[in-house]
Amino acid sequence: DAGITQSPRHKVTETGTPVTLRCHQTENHRYMYWYRQDPGHGLRLIHYSYGVKDTDKGEVSDGYSVSRSKTEDFLLTLESATSSQTSVYFCAISEPRGADTQYFGPGTRLTVL
Amino acid sequence: GNSVTQMEGPVTLSEEAFLTINCTYTATGYPSLFWYVQYPGEGLQLLLKATKADDKGSNKGFEATYRKETTSFHLEKGSVQVSDSAVYFCALSVLNDMRFGAGTRLTVKP
Repeated sequence: DAGITQSPRHKVTETGTPVTLRCHQTENHRYMYWYRQDPGHGLRLIHYSYGVKDTDKGEVSDGYSVSRSKTEDFLLTLESATSSQTSVYFCAISEPRGADTQYFGPGTRLTVL
Repeated sequence: GNSVTQMEGPVTLSEEAFLTINCTYTATGYPSLFWYVQYPGEGLQLLLKATKADDKGSNKGFEATYRKETTSFHLEKGSVQVSDSAVYFCALSVLNDMRFGAGTRLTVKP
């Protein structure tokens, strides 16, 4: 299994509060991704990174920001959480050709009340 | 744009039954195609993939053939087991754009 961890694994928060999710990899892969998983939608890309300090938006980026200051860590921030951001969030990594085979972390279940 | 459509579930089968989960895609360019599996409480795991037309991906008794003429990548298994119960996702990747289907939940009863 690829060395990908996510923290926290579960979080409950209130509307309007900031939330940061962390993805950590030990594979030294260049590409990292954040997805959200919702019933009936499969996985949708929020943001991705193609290197340290290099990030780009995905399909559903509104309300989210990301940062990558080290190869191994990719942070997803909800500046002001809303109930529509209640979801399961997955981090993924890939190498060497970007969106070729991706390896997924165990997920973070976020509930926004 | 790029998209994947897979058959809606849930699918319930008896052990040793034949499984087919349909997947069709729309893509610009030449996508790679994937099937991922998700067991309860876990992330997605790559099950198999195919990178060009007529390639067959296979793993753990599952197979899928990349059919460019019908833009399809149907997942099949000849004899399912209870341990195959999971959610299955079809996906494509082209030019750094990865898209997933909505997922099909499979339950296999003993």
